Order: sequence, then structure tokens, then C-alpha cells
Amino acid sequence: EDQVTQSPEALRLQEGESSSLNCSYTVSGLRGLFWYRQDPGKGPEFLFTLYSAGEEKEKERLKATLTKKESFLHITAPKPEDSATYLCAVQAVTGGFKTIFGAGTRLFVKA
Amino acid sequence: DTGVSQDPRHKITKRGQNVTFRCDPISEHNRLYWYRQTLGQGPEFLTYFQNEAQLEKSRLLSDRFSAERPKGSFSTLEIQRTEQGDSAMYLCASIGTSGQETQYFGPGTRLLVL
Repeated sequence: EDQVTQSPEALRLQEGESSSLNCSYTVSGLRGLFWYRQDPGKGPEFLFTLYSAGEEKEKERLKATLTKKESFLHITAPKPEDSATYLCAVQAVTGGFKTIFGAGTRLFVKA
Repeated sequence: DTGVSQDPRHKITKRGQNVTFRCDPISEHNRLYWYRQTLGQGPEFLTYFQNEAQLEKSRLLSDRFSAERPKGSFSTLEIQRTEQGDSAMYLCASIGTSGQETQYFGPGTRLLVL
């Protein structure tokens, strides 16, 4: 069964303290892996799409990487406005059009 | 604002009542998803449309749930005989041209069943 597991569930950082969020996935052939940011009471906001192992993408303080089993979202020198829930999702080649989301990592950045 | 709108934003209903939600995707987008999200969880796939065709529906979705997308434009999600367990955020997302898999989410409709 296709599955996505995110860790940690919650992460508290001081402003400027870099860290990484993990997304482990099990799919029968990866079509794509997606990272989203979600603020309380709002819909998810797209960050990155990764398609193959070794691929990396960056946007401001965020960098996403992909291996055959997991993806990391690296946050460099975070600011309080980076506080949000970060969601990982996958689509499988044999999964039709279904998108499977992880439960997310809640990030808190303190000034 | 992603350009995807949902209405209503909030809905309170009594158990047993029917409710209908509307999603207006980005105008040039031909593909649309519905998701359900409960507190502390990621979005859970409900159904997928390409134009007006409903191509996939979650096996977890009971017969009380139905979705339509007439003329391939806006979409509606109806829940019949609501139960307290239906309380959740219902999210809609749209995608443009095939090959670009970025889903643009609406703000969601928060449903509370009393």
C-alpha cells in the first residue's frame, strides 16, 4: 500500500537555527513528490515538485531533496514567518490520479 | 490567493441534514480534486475530475458523498444525511495542463455537524 510518513510531528526552532524535515514514502513507482506549506485555517500552498532521485529544488530559505525512499525539506536560518505546517505528498505511477499526503510537520520558529 | 474559490467558507449543520459545497477552479484549469482534512492530519483524497468526467473516487468515500462537475467548470460536493464524523475541512484543488502537476488549493469549507 502506498504510504507517506513525515517526521518529526512538530519542530521548535530558534530564529536562525537551521534544520530538516523528513518525508519517507513507499509507493509502487513514484510519479512525483510534492511539498506544500499550510497556515492555520487555510488551504495548502505549493512549494516544490520533485520527480526523480537526486533532484533538488530551492526557494528562498527552503531546499527540497529526493532519494529513492525519502525527501528532505531543509530550512536554512528560519524566520518566525516560516512557522507553518509543512506537508509532503506523493503520486504513484500505478496509483491512478490519487495524491497521498502525509500528516505534516508543524514548525514553530521563535524570534 | 491562488484563484481557486470555495463557498461557503463555513457551514454548521445538524446531523441528518444534506449539505452542498461549491468549488470554482482557476478558469483555464481542466482538472480538479476534492479532499477532506481533519485536525492534525494531511488532506485525504476524495475524488478527481478531468473536465466533466469523474475519473477516480476514493474507496473510503461512502455512498452519502457525491460530486459533480457539469460542463467542466465549477464543481459541487454533496454530503447526504450528514454524520458527526463528517466534520472536517473540505478542500478543492485545481491543476492546469497535463504534465504540470502543481495543485492550487482553495481556502476550504469548514463543516461542523452537530
